[in-house]
Amino acid sequence: ELKVEQNPLFLSMQEGKNYTIYCNYSTTSDRLYWYRQDPGKSLESLFVLLSNGAVKQEGRLMASLDTKARLSTLHITAAVHDLSATYFCAVLRTTSGTYKYIFGTGTRLKVLA
Amino acid sequence: DSGVTQTPKHLITATGQRVTLRCSPRSGDLSVYWYQQSLDQGLQFLIQYYNGEERAKGNILERFSAQQFPDLHSELNLSSLELGDSALYFCASSLSDRVDYGYTFGSGTRLTVV
Repeated sequence: ELKVEQNPLFLSMQEGKNYTIYCNYSTTSDRLYWYRQDPGKSLESLFVLLSNGAVKQEGRLMASLDTKARLSTLHITAAVHDLSATYFCAVLRTTSGTYKYIFGTGTRLKVLA
Repeated sequence: DSGVTQTPKHLITATGQRVTLRCSPRSGDLSVYWYQQSLDQGLQFLIQYYNGEERAKGNILERFSAQQFPDLHSELNLSSLELGDSALYFCASSLSDRVDYGYTFGSGTRLTVV
């Protein structure tokens, strides 16, 4: 069974600091996604990582994928208050032509001024 | 506005009732996905339709069903509602059935079962 785990579940950090959110998944996957959700809002797509070693960056966020370790990271550089949100990773697995999309538990990030 | 439209935004209903949630995908998108987000279960994939046909199934209860119509809008039907069905229900859409570039999510329908 495909399981996706994120850690930490909650993260409180000071503005200007760096931190990393981890996403571990239990079986092979075809793609890995990162999403952001603001309180009471919908999910916004951040990154899609398609292959081993993929790295994508947007502003203060950088995502990477290590398919051998079944690990993706979301690194936050010099955090600002606007980054406060819940971040989800999600994994796509294709088996015999069927697709499974599994979301991680989410990491609630709070950036303190 | 993401381009994915969900109605209604809020719904309050009693246990045992049946409700229908509606989703219009972003223009040009052929795939529609339904998700349930609750505090204890997190974000769970329910079902996917691609161009009118069921494409993938997740943790969808037998009391729930969905369909995608020729105009590509989709409806999620929830019946014999229980208190535990209270959640945010999201619809998402994508151009293909492989979600190469991630989904576009709608703003959700908040269902409260009392």
